[in-house]
Amino acid sequence: GQNIDQPTEMTATEGAIVQINCTYQTSGFNGLFWYQQHAGEAPTFLSYNVLDGLEEKGRFSSFLSRSKGYSYLLLKELQMKDSASYLCAVFFSGGYNKLIFGAGTRLAVHP
Amino acid sequence: DTEVTQTPKHLVMGMTNKKSLKCEQHMGHRAMYWYKQKAKKPPELMFVYSYEKLSINESVPSRFSPECPNSSLLNLHLHALQPEDSALYLCASSQDRPANNYGYTFGSGTRLTVV
Repeated sequence: GQNIDQPTEMTATEGAIVQINCTYQTSGFNGLFWYQQHAGEAPTFLSYNVLDGLEEKGRFSSFLSRSKGYSYLLLKELQMKDSASYLCAVFFSGGYNKLIFGAGTRLAVHP
Repeated sequence: DTEVTQTPKHLVMGMTNKKSLKCEQHMGHRAMYWYKQKAKKPPELMFVYSYEKLSINESVPSRFSPECPNSSLLNLHLHALQPEDSALYLCASSQDRPANNYGYTFGSGTRLTVV
């Protein structure tokens, strides 16, 4: 398996910054995705890292280090609606497409 | 149209029933996927279709039978399921090689209960 690890649960305060980490023991993948999923709903695309470094999109940023087998999602100015699961997923493409998810991190944002 | 539409949204079926889940997209995506998601678990890949051909079957039991009638439609035929097959079944689509501003587009899923 790809052994994609994330913390199971995190809590944070409205207006704060939170970093959700993802570590993996796999190689040869094309890129790494972050998805948000509210309970009972479809996952929605947040970010995609192909190269090492930081990708910034508004309140959300994602970082990838292939040499360290590590990624993180940074959420700034937290809002109550950010309470959701955050899924790290590695993407393989070599004549086929394969997206493999980590276990996900459930984030609870409190007032 | 930037959506993946799944029907039905909810399905309750007996272990001897035959039913089908349907998925439709009109984004011109040439790759489509079935995922299974149990409560508080991540989505698990079941099948991948690329250009209407089955390219990946993740050792899924034969009681699940996928079908891709054309580039816009993906079905999942269900027969003789077990209660442990109860889950949220998610369909997704993507360009053949997703770019950073596309990713996979997921449908809202079919919540299946096997009784």
